[in-house]
Amino acid sequence: TQLLEQSPQFLSIQEGENLTVYCNSSSVFSSLQWYRQEPGEGPVLLVTVVTGGEVKKLKRLTFQFGDARKDSSLHITAAQPGDTGLYLCAGEGNQFYFGTGTSLTVIP
Amino acid sequence: NAGVTQTPKFQVLKTGQSMTLQCAQDMNHEYMSWYRQDPGMGLRLIHYSVGAGITDQGEVPNGYNVSRSTTEDFPLRLLSAAPSQTSVYFCASRQGWAGELFFGEGSRLTVL
Repeated sequence: TQLLEQSPQFLSIQEGENLTVYCNSSSVFSSLQWYRQEPGEGPVLLVTVVTGGEVKKLKRLTFQFGDARKDSSLHITAAQPGDTGLYLCAGEGNQFYFGTGTSLTVIP
Repeated sequence: NAGVTQTPKFQVLKTGQSMTLQCAQDMNHEYMSWYRQDPGMGLRLIHYSVGAGITDQGEVPNGYNVSRSTTEDFPLRLLSAAPSQTSVYFCASRQGWAGELFFGEGSRLTVL
């Protein structure tokens, strides 16, 4: 049983489009992180959110932590081919749990 | 900067064989962990360690052993490999209980 479910599992969009990835759980987390992973490499941290309702922006990426600290979203504005990769959310509970992942392909 | 180093990068085993995946970090991190990555399932925690001499089980520990004799090294042992253990394995470390996880490049294991 996965503690963190991500949707969609796969996403293929044209360059310039906007998209949102969701990370949902029935558990409360003290913090939530988003990672991006490229083929043949390990995941790399994008952001950490710790406060319910927190919104963080990283250039064209906007991250939000749900008020109840059970869910999070990642919104990308004007996607570029360089955004292609596997996006993983991860929640800090009694252990560190990763989501099921969203594979994003941005077509030039 | 080496960071987290995993060896080997690729390995093919036959059912029943044993092997050890090596993981070393040079950042003096107390926390180290092993994950397996399977399609559609993200990363699942196998075992973790909060310091030398201390290890604990994660979500999917069956079939795997670990030890932590030094701060730098955290090997993962498969005692009797099974086809269900075919996966990509990642070692990760971080300074404390919370914070950024630093990952190795992964070890792809195939069990025939």
